[in-house]
Amino acid sequence: DQQVKQNSPSLSVQEGRISILNCDYTNSMFDYFLWYKKYPAEGPTFLISISSIKDKNEDGRFTVFLNKSAKHLSLHIVPSQPGDSAVYFCAARITSGTYKYIFGTGTRLKVLA
Amino acid sequence: DTAVSQTPKYLVTQMGNDKSIKCEQNLGHDTMYWYKQDSKKFLKIMFSYNNKELIINETVPNRFSPKSPDKAHLNLHINSLELGDSAVYFCASSHDRDIALSRYNEQFFGPGTRLTVL
Repeated sequence: DQQVKQNSPSLSVQEGRISILNCDYTNSMFDYFLWYKKYPAEGPTFLISISSIKDKNEDGRFTVFLNKSAKHLSLHIVPSQPGDSAVYFCAARITSGTYKYIFGTGTRLKVLA
Repeated sequence: DTAVSQTPKYLVTQMGNDKSIKCEQNLGHDTMYWYKQDSKKFLKIMFSYNNKELIINETVPNRFSPKSPDKAHLNLHINSLELGDSAVYFCASSHDRDIALSRYNEQFFGPGTRLTVL
């Protein structure tokens, strides 16, 4: 039972345009959401996060939107750059005595020059 | 300076062997994790240690045994390796698990160890 889903395995976007990566979740107990970026042969690196009590968080070119009623979050990258080409993982945290993070399967973003 | 390091980066071995993967972090974090990324790209938590104490132990075969000699190290020992153990294993660390709603909740990942069991 995959509680965090990234239904698009890949996405291609032209340089300078907006990239929108989507993530859906099923567990309403998740209290924190994170996006990670992963280059080949490297571990995931943290990109941006959002608390479940907020609906938007912005950091430079990256904005994460959270729609709790739809159990959906999205990552917007504007403008997209070739260096953004990577696999993006959505992760959700559940707090039950300790923190546990559930990851999606990732979306491969390719930004075309 | 590498924040979270793992050795080896690649590990090829025969079924039935016992192997270890080492992880070290120099970030002063209190919590360390092991994740497994299988062929379907699922990144699943296996174990979590906080201050050398086991706090998460997912349904992982007991052939997998984590060892934390100190806060900066979390090694993974695997006995009697099976074909299905082939995967990329990531170590990660983060600040204390009780810090809430702060910038410090993200995990820092190592580069991964690709384990191939033949």
